[in-house]
Amino acid sequence: DAGVTQSPTHLIKTRGQQVTLRCSPKSGHDTVSWYQQALGQGPQFIFQYYEEEERQRGNFPDRFSGHQFPNYSSELNVNALLLGDSALYLCASSRELGSTDYGYTFGSGTRLTVV
Amino acid sequence: QKEVEQDPGPLSVPEGAIVSLNCTYSNSAFQYFMWYRQYSRKGPELLMYTYSSGNKEDGRFTAQVDKSSKYISLFIRDSQPSDSATYLCAMRMNTGFQKLVFGTGTRLLVSP
Repeated sequence: DAGVTQSPTHLIKTRGQQVTLRCSPKSGHDTVSWYQQALGQGPQFIFQYYEEEERQRGNFPDRFSGHQFPNYSSELNVNALLLGDSALYLCASSRELGSTDYGYTFGSGTRLTVV
Repeated sequence: QKEVEQDPGPLSVPEGAIVSLNCTYSNSAFQYFMWYRQYSRKGPELLMYTYSSGNKEDGRFTAQVDKSSKYISLFIRDSQPSDSATYLCAMRMNTGFQKLVFGTGTRLLVSP
């Protein structure tokens, strides 16, 4: 049973560029959340998608946007990259509240370096 | 003040030691409490979760939640070198949304 799959694994971008990160959730999961983890820090919530809609958003600027597709996969887009956007970007999938599955399955992340 | 506080460590112990990892939090609305293990260059892996107060045991791991003190703990018995990783506490409210709030993580080093 495949877990959460993220691509690419690593990415180097230049300041001002745009980037798209991709996530396929664990089989049976319909909710996708994105987190940013800076070096030496815990993950910070960016936003969550359910039924192709952004349901909740953390304290991140509008440069961060996302999308969820009918097959539950998701993309994270970051525009006008800043050096401070360098981090590990984690995708977590889960089932909608109401199930007994409280597990949040994380992918291995995409390490983004902005130079 | 951060919502969740966690000592970043590193915490160095010899193999076989009992390890105690802790987090404090400020938001009394948190109801679900989790511990994740993260190896270098990997995503977090769920170890334990607890709803509200109490203890939960799974093999060598025991999670404790004291909501009156806003304090949670993870104990690892008979620690192994393979336990060397960063341990993240996480918590969320009992609402329809599933946003997790993480601590900074404690780096644990278990020496043979």
